[in-house]
Amino acid sequence: EVQLVESGGGLVQPGRSMKLSCAASGFTFSNYGMAWVRQAPTKGLEWVATISYDGSSTYYRDSVKGRFTISRDNAKSTLYLQMNSLRSEDTATYYCTRDGSHFDYWGQGVMVTVSS
Amino acid sequence: DVVMTQTPVSLSVSLGGQVSISCRSSQSLVHNNGNTYLSWYLQKPGQSPQLLIYKVSNRFSGISDRFSGSGSGTDFTLKISRVEPDDLGVYYCGQGTQYPTFGGGTKLELK
Repeated sequence: EVQLVESGGGLVQPGRSMKLSCAASGFTFSNYGMAWVRQAPTKGLEWVATISYDGSSTYYRDSVKGRFTISRDNAKSTLYLQMNSLRSEDTATYYCTRDGSHFDYWGQGVMVTVSS
Repeated sequence: DVVMTQTPVSLSVSLGGQVSISCRSSQSLVHNNGNTYLSWYLQKPGQSPQLLIYKVSNRFSGISDRFSGSGSGTDFTLKISRVEPDDLGVYYCGQGTQYPTFGGGTKLELK
């Protein structure tokens, strides 16, 4: 059974940093691209970033480019999202997803609240 | 960015009924490789989104044949037949032909 389990969320002040992790199991992690998708409270879905199966390619939405970094450790079957210079508009539930030009498996999500 | 427009925003249905949700993209979703990366997701209350349909009309593993997807180019439709209580929630279309974007969602409620 495919499982994606996020961790690392919480309350953070504007301008500070936070790192999310996603532990994957139930599939060969190193064979798949992975992504982060977020959802602000009461809002819709918004793609944040994608990383290729081997980590050689990364893609970001414009609003997080230069502030967020997606990475992976295939030996640990873990996906990461390093978020710097956080803003109030980054407040959302962040989902780890498996990315194959569609998002077929999703984690339970982790809440990130950016507030002073 | 490819803008995805879903209609209607909300929909009321009786159990056992049939509904259709429309999704329109601002650009053709046909990829250079010939595939069309249009997918549909359902987010049930308090849960993560789940994939229903990918590449326009392919049902994901374990998804009932009551769900069907169709369309091409820029116009797509999700049909749900014989609606059950477990079908209620918010439906999103999404595209992966370019950097991923999603529609605004359609809330399916009981009449």
